[in-house]
Amino acid sequence: NAGVTQTPKFQVLKTGQSMTLQCAQDMNHNSMYWYRQDPGMGLRLIYYSASEGTTDKGEVPNGYNVSRLNKREFSLRLESAAPSQTSVYFCASSESSGRSPYEQYFGPGTRLTVT
Amino acid sequence: EDKVVQSPLSLVVHEGDTVTLNCSYEVTNFRSLLWYKQEKKAPTFLFMLTSSGIEKKSGRLSSILDKKELFSILNITATQTGDSAVYLCAVPKRWSGNQFYFGTGTSLTVIP
Repeated sequence: NAGVTQTPKFQVLKTGQSMTLQCAQDMNHNSMYWYRQDPGMGLRLIYYSASEGTTDKGEVPNGYNVSRLNKREFSLRLESAAPSQTSVYFCASSESSGRSPYEQYFGPGTRLTVT
Repeated sequence: EDKVVQSPLSLVVHEGDTVTLNCSYEVTNFRSLLWYKQEKKAPTFLFMLTSSGIEKKSGRLSSILDKKELFSILNITATQTGDSAVYLCAVPKRWSGNQFYFGTGTSLTVIP
């Protein structure tokens, strides 16, 4: 099993450009998440999807959109990139049920720089 | 306001030393606390501590949960250079599916 995969690994954008970060998991997990990680700020949740067909905002959703394409895939889109979105982005997945919490499994991350 | 605070922010030790990392929390309706290790890339899961399991051990790593004083510690004995990483703790948010509050992490550097 590949676990959680993300593409691309690195990306440089100019202010105003758009891009989509891709994430896929092969663990048959219902829930998927997008985080950003900045120095001194820890992991902050951008959006999550508790199950296929549903998405919800996390702590820092402004400037982002998501799509839960199917059970395996969860993409994050920056419509008009800003320098404040320079960060490392992690996708994660987990089981989910009334018996949560469950540990989350993380992808390798995407390092995004917006100039 | 719910929060998870880790200390120290960073730590530098020599191989063979024992280290103790701290995670304190104030979270409504606490259920469990998780520890992750983050090397250059993705965080990887270490332990989950719950009301029914307040101590966990795996090799040189061990963790305890003090529900009265609202903290957890992660101990690493006989440290090795491969232990160098950022260690994160996380506490689930109540009534939020499987969302977590993450601490900012402790950066551990083990010098040969």
